[in-house]
Amino acid sequence: AQSVTQLGSHVSVSEGALVLLRCNYSSSVPPYLFWYVQYPNQGLQLLLKYTSAATLVKGINGFEAEFKKSETSFHLTKPSAHMSDAAEYFCAVSVPQGGKLIFGQGTELSVKP
Amino acid sequence: GAGVSQSPSNKVTEKGKDVELRCDPISGHTALYWYRQSLGQGLEFLIYFQGNSAPDKSGLPSDRFSAERTGGSVSTLTIQRTQQEDSAVYLCASSLLDNTGELFFGEGSRLTVL
Repeated sequence: AQSVTQLGSHVSVSEGALVLLRCNYSSSVPPYLFWYVQYPNQGLQLLLKYTSAATLVKGINGFEAEFKKSETSFHLTKPSAHMSDAAEYFCAVSVPQGGKLIFGQGTELSVKP
Repeated sequence: GAGVSQSPSNKVTEKGKDVELRCDPISGHTALYWYRQSLGQGLEFLIYFQGNSAPDKSGLPSDRFSAERTGGSVSTLTIQRTQQEDSAVYLCASSLLDNTGELFFGEGSRLTVL
């Protein structure tokens, strides 16, 4: 069965600092992995996805994530945080032939001036 | 429409009443998903449609929950005899392809059961 664990329900960084949001997955088959962002009172928006091509994936708004099979990780990073990055971030794994995404519990990112 | 549309955006109901939540997916998207988002619970999968059939309804919490999709388009999630623990945001998403494609989410229907 597939599952996702996000380490840290809340992360706080200063503006301009590195953002690191952690995601570990469990999958019995090669996974497809996703990061979604949810701004207050909005739906989820895709940031980036890994679908077995390049292991370093670049997304919107300067975010990127690296697929590391040996560590079963797919951590999300951004070199320099902006105030506008404050949101909730969800990591997800696709279930092969299952037609659905399994989401982690989410990490709320706060950015301090 | 251009995106996934959900209605109502907010619903307040009394315990024991039935509610219907509607999702209008992006035109041409064959797959449709319902998720529930509760405070501190993340996103919980409820049901998935491919066309009008539901090959995976494993996430429906009880027999009070049901969903249907007609014409390969609009879907309705029905909760009968609502309970306070049903209070949550119900999110709908659609996609062109299941499994590997991007899911496009609506803004959700916030349900409050008093």
